[in-house]
Amino acid sequence: DAGVIQSPRHEVTEMGQEVTLRCKPISGHDYLFWYRQTMMRGLELLIYFNNNVPIDDSGMPEDRFSAKMPNASFSTLKIQPSEPRDSAVYFCASSPLGGAGVYEQYFGPGTRLTVT
Amino acid sequence: GDSVTQMEGPVTLSEEAFLTINCTYTATGYPSLFWYVQYPGEGLQLLLKATKADDKGSNKGFEATYRKETTSFHLEKGSVQVSDSAVYFCALRTNTGFQKLVFGTGTRLLVSP
Repeated sequence: DAGVIQSPRHEVTEMGQEVTLRCKPISGHDYLFWYRQTMMRGLELLIYFNNNVPIDDSGMPEDRFSAKMPNASFSTLKIQPSEPRDSAVYFCASSPLGGAGVYEQYFGPGTRLTVT
Repeated sequence: GDSVTQMEGPVTLSEEAFLTINCTYTATGYPSLFWYVQYPGEGLQLLLKATKADDKGSNKGFEATYRKETTSFHLEKGSVQVSDSAVYFCALRTNTGFQKLVFGTGTRLLVSP
């Protein structure tokens, strides 16, 4: 299995531009998570999906951020318009259905976003 | 709410030294506990886990014991290697019906030859 795939790995954009980050979860996983990592705030959960349905988006910082999961093998995180404070590493993770058991989240390599 | 507190880093050690990274948690009920590791330029990887009190998780020479009485899950390794240099995250999985992890702020470990 190729693991969680994210693209692009690096993105540099100017303030005000739209940014789209992409994620392909591991096949068969029911959960998909988007995280943001910064030095100041550490690792923050932005949103997560179960079977393509958003379950908890309370971590999405503001309306400029949106996430979709049109099918089980693809998700996007969009920032429009982008601002310099959005600069961070964005991780996607997926997980199998845990039920009552313990499960593991598998992380992608991340997308490093720089907004100038 | 649920939270995880880790010791601040960086932790700087010489090769073959003993490692302890402290982690304590606050949670309702009985969460599952995890240690994740992040190597430079990579995403997080699960290192070990424990699901109930007194469970010991272990992997690659690392160990951590779920201590309910002290709400702790300290990470230990008897002899670190340069290749262990990474950022280590303690995390808990809430038992509130939502399948999400709450992470600590991470502790950077630097091991010198």
